[in-house]
Amino acid sequence: DAKTTQPNSMESNEEEPVHLPCNHSTISGTDYIHWYRQLPSQGPEYVIHGLTSNVNNRMASLAIAEDRKSSTLILHRATLRDAAVYYCILTRGSTLGRLYFGRGTQLTVWP
Amino acid sequence: ETGVTQSPTHLIKTRGQQVTLRCSSQSGHNTVSWYQQALGQGPQFIFQYYREEENGRGNFPPRFSGLQFPNYSSELNVNALELDDSALYLCASSQGWPSTDTQYFGPGTRLTVL
Repeated sequence: DAKTTQPNSMESNEEEPVHLPCNHSTISGTDYIHWYRQLPSQGPEYVIHGLTSNVNNRMASLAIAEDRKSSTLILHRATLRDAAVYYCILTRGSTLGRLYFGRGTQLTVWP
Repeated sequence: ETGVTQSPTHLIKTRGQQVTLRCSSQSGHNTVSWYQQALGQGPQFIFQYYREEENGRGNFPPRFSGLQFPNYSSELNVNALELDDSALYLCASSQGWPSTDTQYFGPGTRLTVL
């Protein structure tokens, strides 16, 4: 399973944009980039995923570098509810979506 | 639409005992995966079931076993419990296809082994 590297922690103020980086230099051409987050005392929840092009949904945006060796999850206006551990995960088509988590980035949002 | 549910919420066992954890998948989902999350770590993949067959296993010993039933609910069984088995056990369900399909997680079962 391809490895990802994320900062251990990041901080943001409420209502400011947050850019969460992820490096995946050994990504293969068929690997998808997924982001999940885990709020305190809850199971992980899906945020967004992409392959090559940038993606937007109601929760966040995903910016993927042209060489696909890095990506950035963008929260446009952080809220207190966005305080969570964010995981960047690569998946392959043969694995029926099973996820291999790293330690993720702990995001702290200050009021 | 009912989400993924797990039971029990908390469980305390002693070393050497056996435990069974249960998971009800989200409606319409035929794939279930189990994960172990130790304190301060990310979840670790245990195994996955697709249409009642095991379809992939992580680096866990055979004393971790599972079942998926015709209604796609699932059980995780752990024999000969060890202290290091203390963790949050998470179940996730998905439609199985496409492979990028979203995994929906339950709230987990907190297992403590004394």
